Amino acid sequence: AQSVTQPDIHITVSEGASLELRCNYSYGATPYLFWYVQSPGQGLQLLLKYFSGDTLVQGIKGFEAEFKRSQSSFNLRKPSVHWSDAAEYFCAVGAGGNKLVFGAGTILRVKS
Amino acid sequence: NAGVTQTPKFQVLKTGQSMTLQCAQDMNHEYMSWYRQDPGMGLRLIHYSVGAGITDQGEVPNGYNVSRSTTEDFPLRLLSAAPSQTSVYFCASSRDRGHEQYFGPGTRLTVT
Repeated sequence: AQSVTQPDIHITVSEGASLELRCNYSYGATPYLFWYVQSPGQGLQLLLKYFSGDTLVQGIKGFEAEFKRSQSSFNLRKPSVHWSDAAEYFCAVGAGGNKLVFGAGTILRVKS
Repeated sequence: NAGVTQTPKFQVLKTGQSMTLQCAQDMNHEYMSWYRQDPGMGLRLIHYSVGAGITDQGEVPNGYNVSRSTTEDFPLRLLSAAPSQTSVYFCASSRDRGHEQYFGPGTRLTVT
């Protein structure tokens, strides 16, 4: 069965520091991979997606993610974090049809 | 476009009551889904639909019913509410298989 693991429940970084959020997936075929962000009390917004091709994908708000098949990973990165990036981040894998399997999420705190 | 809309935003039910959560999209998307979000568990798929008249179960379907009589609407029915159904419910739609899903703002449901 498909699954997604986000090993870090909480991460705290200083404003201006770099960020990497980890995501590992389990899926038999070539996966569709997504990162979503959720601000408190809000719905989910798509940051970026990987379907095929270039393994380094660029998203909105300065985020990027790299697909590494050998490690079954799709880590999210940002070179310089802003206070407005504080939110919860979800990694998801497309599980066939239009089903998504989500990780448990990582809460990002940004300290000034 | 309004995108994906959900009503109500908040609801409190007593155990045993029934209700319908409404979801509508104006993007002419074929695929629609319902997820529930619980702390530390990410989002889990309840039911989904690949087109009008076609629905299927997701990961956690027990206690919920859906129907899809039109492309635009995908209501979720709670047959007899239980405290375990206290959660935030998100509706999502996508253009077709494998494409990103667009999420509604969510309905926060409390069952007492």
